Amino acid sequence: GQQVMQIPQYQHVQEGEDFTTYCNSSTTLSNIQWYKQRPGGHPVFLIQLVKSGEVKKQKRLTFQFGEAKKNSSLHITATQTTDVGTYFCAGRQETSGSRLTFGEGTQLTVNP
Amino acid sequence: DTAVSQTPKYLVTQMGNDKSIKCEQNLGHDTMYWYKQDSKKFLKIMFSYNNKELIINETVPNRFSPKSPDKAHLNLHINSLELGDSAVYFCASSPIQAAGGYTFGSGTRLTVV
Repeated sequence: GQQVMQIPQYQHVQEGEDFTTYCNSSTTLSNIQWYKQRPGGHPVFLIQLVKSGEVKKQKRLTFQFGEAKKNSSLHITATQTTDVGTYFCAGRQETSGSRLTFGEGTQLTVNP
Repeated sequence: DTAVSQTPKYLVTQMGNDKSIKCEQNLGHDTMYWYKQDSKKFLKIMFSYNNKELIINETVPNRFSPKSPDKAHLNLHINSLELGDSAVYFCASSPIQAAGGYTFGSGTRLTVV
């Protein structure tokens, strides 16, 4: 079945440093989504990428979808303590319709 | 206005008991889901319903039984609770099956003792 792998599992940074999490799928995706879960909270939808090579920005967050639509990344510039949380990618396989498979998540901690 | 609401937020119970978690969404979404999140934060799909019809049923013990009385509600009943069932259970909904982000409820932290 479809697998979505995400690395790193944990990342500790100093406030002001950049952060990147990577997502790789074993199969071609129709789209990929990113979610953020604050400690003690629930996953919150951030963005969806659909097109090959697509790049989207939300303030300090940059999301990319690979040309082959099998990988994606989330980059945060100049992290802040409010960025703390777990970031999940979630991909839809082209042939699976609705099924959304979540990556294992990257837990980000930011030291002030 | 809470978009996806789950009750209860916390549930502590003894092994062997039966318990239910309720979920309601007021977004008008057609599809609802139950996810289990373990201590390592991994989110695993359990069930998905589209307009009251079961469309995804992952390899979940049959002690877990979802029920969708209408498209705005998806409840989860668990029989004969085991220690390994301890986790956070999230309900979620999405607009249609193949598009849009999921809206998650705030979660139910189940602890089996």
